[in-house]
Amino acid sequence: GAGVSQSPRYKVTKRGQDVALRCDPISGHVSLYWYRQALGQGPEFLTYFNYEAQQDKSGLPNDRFSAERPEGSISTLTIQRTEQRDSAMYRCASSPGGGLEQYFGPGTRLTVT
Amino acid sequence: QKEVEQNSGPLSVPEGAIASLNCTYSDRGSQSFFWYRQYSGKSPELIMSIYSNGDKEDGRFTAQLNKASQYVSLLIRDSQPSDSATYLCAVILSGSARQLTFGSGTQLTVLP
Repeated sequence: GAGVSQSPRYKVTKRGQDVALRCDPISGHVSLYWYRQALGQGPEFLTYFNYEAQQDKSGLPNDRFSAERPEGSISTLTIQRTEQRDSAMYRCASSPGGGLEQYFGPGTRLTVT
Repeated sequence: QKEVEQNSGPLSVPEGAIASLNCTYSDRGSQSFFWYRQYSGKSPELIMSIYSNGDKEDGRFTAQLNKASQYVSLLIRDSQPSDSATYLCAVILSGSARQLTFGSGTQLTVLP
């Protein structure tokens, strides 16, 4: 079946612009996670949802970052007033209800110029 | 001290040998452990999960967990050049419902 999909795959934006990154989880997966991965490092947790409820947003770096999953399926991670330090690979993962194993999408490479 | 630590490598083994990848974690209450494989430029791919002390085998892969020593390892038997990748250890720390905390990964190269 189809895996996790993310769009866009690459995004170049100018400093100060807002960006929205989209994640479409594996069909039927209850939980959805956002991570950020720097080169040479493991992914770093940002936030996660069960259905439409945001359960933990402790990893969001500051209030410029927000996420939503209004219908319990597709999620959007929004970064307002982007800064160069926001440049990274943003990864989405999903897991089935009752399962802890997380399956990652291909990621969105964000570059802020 | 980092919460999840791995030797960054690189680790090189000859084709057909056993590759041993190690991971230690600081939170004694952690219960859930995962190994991901990440090829260069690709996303992490789940290869093993382990929750109980002891060994768990899946094909050429064996995960070993020792909670008393706060140590989890991954053995790859009969290593192939296609196993060359970065291997990420991930832990769900106690107090975290589901978030994964990753090590920085070990780069493995299998030499033909």
